[in-house]
Amino acid sequence: TQLLEQSPQFLSIQEGENLTVYCNSSSVFSSLQWYRQEPGEGPVLLVTVVTGGEVKKLKRLTFQFGDARKDSSLHITAAQPGDTGLYLCAGAPQNSGYALNFGKGTSLLVTP
Amino acid sequence: EAQVTQNPRYLITVTGKKLTVTCSQNMNHEYMSWYRQDPGLGLRQIYYSMNVEVTDKGDVPEGYKVSRKEKRNFPLILESPSPNQTSLYFCASSKDGWGRGEQYFGPGTRLTVT
Repeated sequence: TQLLEQSPQFLSIQEGENLTVYCNSSSVFSSLQWYRQEPGEGPVLLVTVVTGGEVKKLKRLTFQFGDARKDSSLHITAAQPGDTGLYLCAGAPQNSGYALNFGKGTSLLVTP
Repeated sequence: EAQVTQNPRYLITVTGKKLTVTCSQNMNHEYMSWYRQDPGLGLRQIYYSMNVEVTDKGDVPEGYKVSRKEKRNFPLILESPSPNQTSLYFCASSKDGWGRGEQYFGPGTRLTVT
Protein backbone atom coordinates (compact mmCIF):
# COMPACT_ATOMS: atom_id res chain seq x y z
CA THR A 1 0.00 0.00 0.00
CA GLN A 2 1.47 3.32 -1.10
CA LEU A 3 0.54 5.72 1.68
CA LEU A 4 2.87 8.53 0.68
CA GLU A 5 2.26 10.57 -2.47
CA GLN A 6 5.18 12.57 -3.76
CA SER A 7 4.97 15.45 -6.21
CA PRO A 8 6.18 16.34 -8.66
CA GLN A 9 7.38 13.03 -10.05
CA PHE A 10 9.97 14.71 -12.29
CA LEU A 11 11.58 18.12 -12.08
CA SER A 12 14.09 19.66 -14.46
CA ILE A 13 15.45 23.08 -13.52
CA GLN A 14 18.45 25.29 -14.13
CA GLU A 15 21.19 25.96 -11.66
CA GLY A 16 20.28 28.72 -9.24
CA GLU A 17 16.52 28.10 -9.23
CA ASN A 18 14.53 27.21 -6.13
CA LEU A 19 12.25 24.19 -5.88
CA THR A 20 9.91 22.40 -3.50
CA VAL A 21 9.07 18.70 -3.36
CA TYR A 22 5.96 17.55 -1.53
CA CYS A 23 5.16 14.35 0.33
CA ASN A 24 1.50 13.95 1.28
CA SER A 25 -0.64 11.34 2.97
CA SER A 26 -4.03 10.90 4.57
CA SER A 27 -2.35 8.88 7.33
CA VAL A 28 -0.59 10.17 10.42
CA PHE A 29 3.08 9.33 10.70
CA SER A 30 5.24 8.94 13.79
CA SER A 31 8.07 10.47 11.81
CA LEU A 32 9.12 11.14 8.25
CA GLN A 33 12.48 10.79 6.61
CA TRP A 34 13.94 12.15 3.39
CA TYR A 35 16.53 10.21 1.41
CA ARG A 36 18.49 10.97 -1.72
CA GLN A 37 19.45 8.26 -4.15
CA GLU A 38 21.97 8.51 -6.95
CA PRO A 39 22.03 6.12 -9.92
CA GLY A 40 23.50 2.73 -9.07
CA GLU A 41 23.50 3.37 -5.33
CA GLY A 42 21.28 2.87 -2.33
CA PRO A 43 19.36 5.76 -0.76
CA VAL A 44 21.18 7.94 1.76
CA LEU A 45 19.38 9.61 4.65
CA LEU A 46 19.15 13.41 4.56
CA VAL A 47 16.94 14.13 7.55
CA THR A 48 14.38 12.76 10.01
CA VAL A 49 11.50 14.93 11.27
CA VAL A 50 9.46 13.76 14.23
CA THR A 51 7.48 16.69 15.64
CA GLY A 52 4.48 18.27 13.92
CA GLY A 53 5.46 21.68 12.56
CA GLU A 54 9.15 20.90 12.79
CA VAL A 55 11.52 22.64 10.40
CA LYS A 56 15.05 21.41 9.80
CA LYS A 57 17.74 22.95 7.64
CA LEU A 58 20.64 21.22 5.98
CA LYS A 59 22.69 23.88 4.16
CA ARG A 60 20.46 24.86 1.19
CA LEU A 61 17.83 22.23 1.98
CA THR A 62 14.88 23.00 4.25
CA PHE A 63 12.59 20.23 5.47
CA GLN A 64 9.21 20.75 7.07
CA PHE A 65 6.86 18.33 8.81
CA GLY A 66 3.19 19.27 8.71
CA ASP A 67 1.41 20.22 11.91
CA ALA A 68 -0.85 17.17 11.67
CA ARG A 69 2.11 14.90 10.81
CA LYS A 70 0.50 13.83 7.53
CA ASP A 71 2.74 15.66 5.10
CA SER A 72 6.22 17.01 4.59
CA SER A 73 8.08 19.21 2.14
CA LEU A 74 11.64 19.62 0.95
CA HIS A 75 12.72 23.02 -0.33
CA ILE A 76 16.03 23.54 -2.12
CA THR A 77 17.37 27.05 -2.47
CA ALA A 78 19.66 27.94 -5.37
CA ALA A 79 19.85 24.40 -6.74
CA GLN A 80 23.18 23.13 -8.01
CA PRO A 81 24.00 20.29 -10.43
CA GLY A 82 25.23 18.27 -7.45
CA ASP A 83 21.64 18.22 -6.14
CA THR A 84 20.61 16.02 -9.07
CA GLY A 85 19.16 12.72 -7.91
CA LEU A 86 16.08 10.87 -6.76
CA TYR A 87 14.51 12.26 -3.59
CA LEU A 88 12.45 9.86 -1.51
CA CYS A 89 10.27 10.45 1.49
CA ALA A 90 9.65 7.58 3.90
CA GLY A 91 7.53 7.21 6.98
CA ALA A 92 6.43 4.85 9.69
CA PRO A 93 2.65 5.16 10.01
CA GLN A 94 1.36 5.36 13.54
CA ASN A 95 0.28 2.03 14.94
CA SER A 96 1.79 0.11 12.02
CA GLY A 97 4.47 -1.65 13.95
CA TYR A 98 7.78 -1.53 12.18
CA ALA A 99 6.68 -1.38 8.56
CA LEU A 100 8.17 1.51 6.62
CA ASN A 101 6.47 3.16 3.68
CA PHE A 102 8.24 5.01 0.87
CA GLY A 103 6.90 7.50 -1.62
CA LYS A 104 7.59 6.84 -5.31
CA GLY A 105 10.20 9.54 -5.42
CA THR A 106 10.92 12.82 -7.19
CA SER A 107 13.58 12.71 -9.88
CA LEU A 108 15.44 16.04 -9.93
CA LEU A 109 17.73 17.20 -12.72
CA VAL A 110 19.66 20.43 -12.27
CA THR A 111 21.42 21.65 -15.38
CA PRO A 112 24.28 24.19 -15.39
CA GLU B 1 34.15 1.09 7.61
CA ALA B 2 30.46 0.84 8.55
CA GLN B 3 28.61 -0.74 5.71
CA VAL B 4 25.93 -3.06 4.39
CA THR B 5 27.10 -5.52 1.78
CA GLN B 6 25.00 -7.47 -0.68
CA ASN B 7 25.93 -10.31 -2.99
CA PRO B 8 25.68 -10.79 -5.82
CA ARG B 9 25.40 -7.29 -7.29
CA TYR B 10 24.01 -8.58 -10.56
CA LEU B 11 22.23 -11.84 -11.27
CA ILE B 12 20.50 -13.27 -14.32
CA THR B 13 18.62 -16.48 -13.71
CA VAL B 14 15.81 -18.59 -15.12
CA THR B 15 12.31 -19.13 -13.85
CA GLY B 16 12.08 -21.64 -11.02
CA LYS B 17 15.76 -21.84 -10.11
CA LYS B 18 16.12 -21.16 -6.39
CA LEU B 19 18.44 -18.34 -5.44
CA THR B 20 19.66 -16.51 -2.36
CA VAL B 21 20.80 -12.91 -2.12
CA THR B 22 23.01 -12.38 0.89
CA CYS B 23 23.06 -9.27 3.08
CA SER B 24 25.49 -8.51 5.86
CA GLN B 25 26.04 -5.50 8.11
CA ASN B 26 28.96 -4.74 10.40
CA MET B 27 27.29 -2.12 12.62
CA ASN B 28 25.65 -4.47 15.13
CA HIS B 29 22.23 -3.16 14.08
CA GLU B 30 19.13 -4.92 15.34
CA TYR B 31 16.84 -3.88 12.51
CA MET B 32 17.26 -5.12 8.96
CA SER B 33 15.00 -4.98 5.94
CA TRP B 34 14.68 -5.94 2.29
CA TYR B 35 13.19 -3.70 -0.38
CA ARG B 36 12.58 -3.95 -4.07
CA GLN B 37 12.64 -0.91 -6.33
CA ASP B 38 10.71 -0.85 -9.59
CA PRO B 39 10.16 2.01 -12.06
CA GLY B 40 6.94 3.84 -11.31
CA LEU B 41 6.41 1.92 -8.07
CA GLY B 42 9.28 3.16 -5.93
CA LEU B 43 10.74 1.29 -3.00
CA ARG B 44 8.54 -1.35 -1.44
CA GLN B 45 9.34 -3.27 1.69
CA ILE B 46 9.46 -7.05 1.30
CA TYR B 47 10.38 -8.29 4.77
CA TYR B 48 11.91 -6.82 7.86
CA SER B 49 13.53 -8.12 11.02
CA MET B 50 13.61 -6.55 14.46
CA ASN B 51 16.18 -8.97 15.89
CA VAL B 52 17.56 -12.48 15.57
CA GLU B 53 14.77 -14.95 14.80
CA VAL B 54 12.20 -12.13 14.62
CA THR B 55 10.92 -11.31 11.16
CA ASP B 56 7.72 -9.93 9.69
CA LYS B 57 6.14 -9.27 6.32
CA GLY B 58 6.32 -5.94 4.60
CA ASP B 59 4.15 -4.75 1.73
CA VAL B 60 5.15 -7.31 -0.92
CA PRO B 61 6.27 -10.58 0.73
CA GLU B 62 4.75 -13.04 -1.76
CA GLY B 63 7.38 -15.26 -3.38
CA TYR B 64 10.10 -14.39 -0.91
CA LYS B 65 11.51 -15.90 2.27
CA VAL B 66 13.98 -14.54 4.80
CA SER B 67 15.83 -15.77 7.82
CA ARG B 68 17.71 -14.06 10.62
CA LYS B 69 19.85 -16.63 12.38
CA GLU B 70 22.64 -14.18 13.16
CA LYS B 71 22.44 -10.50 13.91
CA ARG B 72 24.70 -9.46 11.05
CA ASN B 73 23.12 -11.51 8.25
CA PHE B 74 19.70 -11.30 6.62
CA PRO B 75 19.51 -13.37 3.42
CA LEU B 76 16.65 -13.06 0.93
CA ILE B 77 15.53 -16.34 -0.60
CA LEU B 78 13.55 -16.77 -3.81
CA GLU B 79 12.51 -20.41 -3.83
CA SER B 80 10.98 -20.35 -7.31
CA PRO B 81 11.76 -17.07 -9.02
CA SER B 82 9.39 -15.71 -11.64
CA PRO B 83 9.83 -12.92 -14.22
CA ASN B 84 7.75 -10.53 -12.12
CA GLN B 85 10.49 -10.67 -9.49
CA THR B 86 12.90 -8.99 -11.90
CA SER B 87 13.84 -5.89 -9.94
CA LEU B 88 16.50 -3.93 -8.07
CA TYR B 89 16.79 -5.20 -4.51
CA PHE B 90 18.15 -3.31 -1.52
CA CYS B 91 19.01 -4.52 1.94
CA ALA B 92 19.07 -1.98 4.77
CA SER B 93 19.93 -1.95 8.45
CA SER B 94 19.16 0.45 11.27
CA LYS B 95 20.11 0.80 14.91
CA ASP B 96 16.66 2.17 15.82
CA GLY B 97 13.26 1.22 14.52
CA TRP B 98 12.08 2.40 11.16
CA GLY B 99 11.51 6.07 10.83
CA ARG B 100 13.43 6.81 13.99
CA GLY B 101 16.98 6.26 13.01
CA GLU B 102 19.06 6.27 9.89
CA GLN B 103 18.71 3.29 7.61
CA TYR B 104 21.94 2.26 5.92
CA PHE B 105 21.33 0.77 2.51
CA GLY B 106 23.45 -1.72 0.66
CA PRO B 107 24.57 -1.08 -2.93
CA GLY B 108 21.73 -3.06 -4.46
CA THR B 109 21.32 -6.33 -6.36
CA ARG B 110 19.94 -6.18 -9.87
CA LEU B 111 18.05 -9.39 -10.53
CA THR B 112 16.73 -10.50 -13.90
CA VAL B 113 14.53 -13.58 -14.12
CA THR B 114 13.97 -14.92 -17.65
